[in-house]
Amino acid sequence: GNSVTQMEGPVTLSEEAFLTINCTYTATGYPSLFWYVQYPGEGLQLLLKATKADDKGSNKGFEATYRKETTSFHLEKGSVQVSDSAVYFCALVYGNNRLAFGKGNQVVVIP
Amino acid sequence: GAVVSQHPSRVICKSGTSVKIECRSLDFQATTMFWYRQFPKQSLMLMATSNEGSKATYEQGVEKDKFLINHASLTLSTLTVTSAHPEDSSFYICSARDLSQARHEQYFGPGTRLTVT
Repeated sequence: GNSVTQMEGPVTLSEEAFLTINCTYTATGYPSLFWYVQYPGEGLQLLLKATKADDKGSNKGFEATYRKETTSFHLEKGSVQVSDSAVYFCALVYGNNRLAFGKGNQVVVIP
Repeated sequence: GAVVSQHPSRVICKSGTSVKIECRSLDFQATTMFWYRQFPKQSLMLMATSNEGSKATYEQGVEKDKFLINHASLTLSTLTVTSAHPEDSSFYICSARDLSQARHEQYFGPGTRLTVT
């Protein structure tokens, strides 16, 4: 089937620290991959995406590279800010534009 | 642009009653909307795909008679939880696809917190 796995637990780090959130997937073929972000009290927003192997999605200083060899799409940011505190979801698309999501990771950035 | 609203943002109802949740695309047209359910510390689970002018497509394991979906216009889809029970308490989220945008782009509403007592 189609599924997404994210690393367990919240992530707490200091401002300007390096952020990595792991995401691996199981899918038929090579689906488009996404990272969504949910700020407190708001709906999910698309952060970045990659549509084929070796593509790198980037936005707001965040990056993720589509790695078919390791079926991964890890999210990284070199220097986080307090405003990056949010929940981050990894997802893939399958079927008729349906999305399968990971469990999400709460990121808390401390000043 | 591309704003999706949900109403109400939170609702408390008694067991056995029905609750309707609205999902609206405010500044774009959406032939397809999606309904998700999210449990605490869990991922979003797709419940059904709502298609304007036709019947919704439900995911395996989702009771279509329990969760009634109506997509009456290009900007409105409703989810009615019928004869609600405490186990239906959850966070319900909708998303909508913009007809004019990239194929996979979905825009999400802020969610509705349902509590059944």
